[in-house]
Amino acid sequence: AQKVTQAQTEISVVEKEDVTLDCVYETRDTTYYLFWYKQPPSGELVFLIRRNSFDEQNEISGRYSWNFQKSTSSFNFTITASQVVDSAVYFCALSEARGAAGNKLTFGGGTRVLVKP
Amino acid sequence: DTGVSQDPRHKITKRGQNVTFRCDPISEHNRLYWYRQTLGQGPEFLTYFQNEAQLEKSRLLSDRFSAERPKGSFSTLEIQRTEQGDSAMYLCASSLNGAPVGEQYFGPGTRLTVT
Repeated sequence: AQKVTQAQTEISVVEKEDVTLDCVYETRDTTYYLFWYKQPPSGELVFLIRRNSFDEQNEISGRYSWNFQKSTSSFNFTITASQVVDSAVYFCALSEARGAAGNKLTFGGGTRVLVKP
Repeated sequence: DTGVSQDPRHKITKRGQNVTFRCDPISEHNRLYWYRQTLGQGPEFLTYFQNEAQLEKSRLLSDRFSAERPKGSFSTLEIQRTEQGDSAMYLCASSLNGAPVGEQYFGPGTRLTVT
């Protein structure tokens, strides 16, 4: 069975501070995909990034960066120089590669990030 | 704007009543997913359609829940004899067959409150 754990339920920072969100996952599959989604106060989930299990290269996109370490089953997310608009709940998710059978997402419990001005 | 719409956005009902939600996916998307999100938790998978065929159902989907996608376009999720534990946000997502794994576009959700 798949499982995603986000140990931090809430993080509060002051604007311009960096914030790192932890994600640990469990799966028995050798091929799988990891995701981060953002859920702002409006409620709609917004896709941020997808990584497959064979690509452990870290990725940077603007102020966002992701660190995937297969050895520790972790996929952490860092926001550099946080801004008030980054305030949201962030979810880590996992999906098997099941082809035509569909690719349901298994989500973690989420981490609420509050960026204070 | 992701293009997935859900109706209604909010529903308040009394325990024991039946409710039905609708999801309109992005027009060319043939895969449709329903998730449930309770307060302070991440979304949990409920069921999945490919075109009109319901291919997977979670154990969370009790006998009181039924989902349909009659023509492979919009989908409905019905909850019969609602209970207070059904209070949650019900999220719909869609994707295109052959799209990158997990690339699902989410709607704004229907928030159900059972009193």
